[in-house]
Amino acid sequence: AQTVTQSQPEMSVQEAETVTLSCTYDTSESNYYLFWYKQPPSRQMILVIRQEAYKQQNATENRFSVNFQKAAKSFSLKISDSQLGDTAMYFCAFGSGGSNYKLTFGKGTLLTVNP
Amino acid sequence: NAGVTQTPKFQVLKTGQSMTLQCAQDMNHEYMSWYRQDPGMGLRLIHYSVGAGITDQGEVPNGYNVSRSTTEDFPLRLLSAAPSQTSVYFCASFSSGNYNEQFFGPGTRLTVL
Repeated sequence: AQTVTQSQPEMSVQEAETVTLSCTYDTSESNYYLFWYKQPPSRQMILVIRQEAYKQQNATENRFSVNFQKAAKSFSLKISDSQLGDTAMYFCAFGSGGSNYKLTFGKGTLLTVNP
Repeated sequence: NAGVTQTPKFQVLKTGQSMTLQCAQDMNHEYMSWYRQDPGMGLRLIHYSVGAGITDQGEVPNGYNVSRSTTEDFPLRLLSAAPSQTSVYFCASFSSGNYNEQFFGPGTRLTVL
């Protein structure tokens, strides 16, 4: 079974600065997907960014980028130019290539952006 | 296009009561799943369905029952509620042709007294 570990229960950052959230995972599979989800106080789960394991290039979505280290099984999220609206719980998630409808989530990192 | 909808948004039950959490999607997705979210635990998979008439267990299925008679609906039944089932429940749908993205409903906060 896969496991996903987020070692930072809470983090804080000043507005406009850059912050990196860590995620490691354990799997024996070679074909899989990794995701970062954001959960603001509204409780809605919002997909931030996804990475296909077969792609060497790190995914980027505007101010959000990942550092995907396949050999190290590491998948960190970098948020640049942090904004107050980025305050949320962030979850790292793993999906098997053949069954991405079954996600394994980490326990989450609560990010607070301070003005 | 409403996406994934869940009802109710909030519910309080007494121990031993039964109820059904409703989930519906209008995107014609073949896959649907139920997760529960507990403090400090992330989201954990309860049950999932790969199509109408086909369901299977996830990581934490005990105490829950599901069925999928149509593509659109995937209700979650609590047979005899227990305080350990106090949680936030999320329904999600997924299409294999949609870049492997799960779409989540807004969640149901359930309290069992």
